[in-house]
Amino acid sequence: QVQLQESGPGLVKPWGTLSLTCAVSGASISSSNWWSWVRQSPGKGLEWIGEIHHAGSTNYNPSLKSRVNISVDKSRNQFSLNVKSVTAADTAVYYCARGAIFGPDYHGMDVWGHGATAIVSS
Amino acid sequence: DIQMTQSPSSLSASIGDRVTITCRASQDIRNDLGWYQQKPGKAPKRLIYAASRLQGGVPSRFSGSGSATEFTLTISSLQPEDFATYYCLQHNTFPRTFGQGTKVEIK
Repeated sequence: QVQLQESGPGLVKPWGTLSLTCAVSGASISSSNWWSWVRQSPGKGLEWIGEIHHAGSTNYNPSLKSRVNISVDKSRNQFSLNVKSVTAADTAVYYCARGAIFGPDYHGMDVWGHGATAIVSS
Repeated sequence: DIQMTQSPSSLSASIGDRVTITCRASQDIRNDLGWYQQKPGKAPKRLIYAASRLQGGVPSRFSGSGSATEFTLTISSLQPEDFATYYCLQHNTFPRTFGQGTKVEIK
């Protein structure tokens, strides 16, 4: 059974860098799947942040691209999110998710972590 | 960006009711759409993928239909555990975008 677990500091100072890690168990991060980050601001809807493939390819939401970096650590079977120059608008629950690949096709985000809350405050 | 417009934004229904939620895409996304259920304090859970395929383990009272720009999620007989917020998600074009959500409440 594939499981994802987010971890990272819950409190980040304004203009600092928010860093989160997603540990993957029950599957290899070196599989053909994509590994994604999604966030949800308090009382709001869901926003896709970006994704990475183990080979290093990434796709980012243009609204965040200048501040976001997603990386993969194959030795630890995990991937990470960094968001720099954060403001209160970046306060959210951050989810990691698997983007499933079947054959040649992307089939959407099928397995999600429980979420990690990140609060931007001094 | 492709805009995903869900309707209604909320609805009240009774146990046993048939419930339909619609998601409209601002351009053709073929069948590259999933439906998700989210309960308070929990992660989204996928119900439907490829517009109409039922995710394993999801009750058969959930069904999806549609293609191109108009999609529907139907709950054939609403159960107590179905009260939640539902989102659609398109993955045809970057950035991937969600609908704004439909909150299903108890009447």
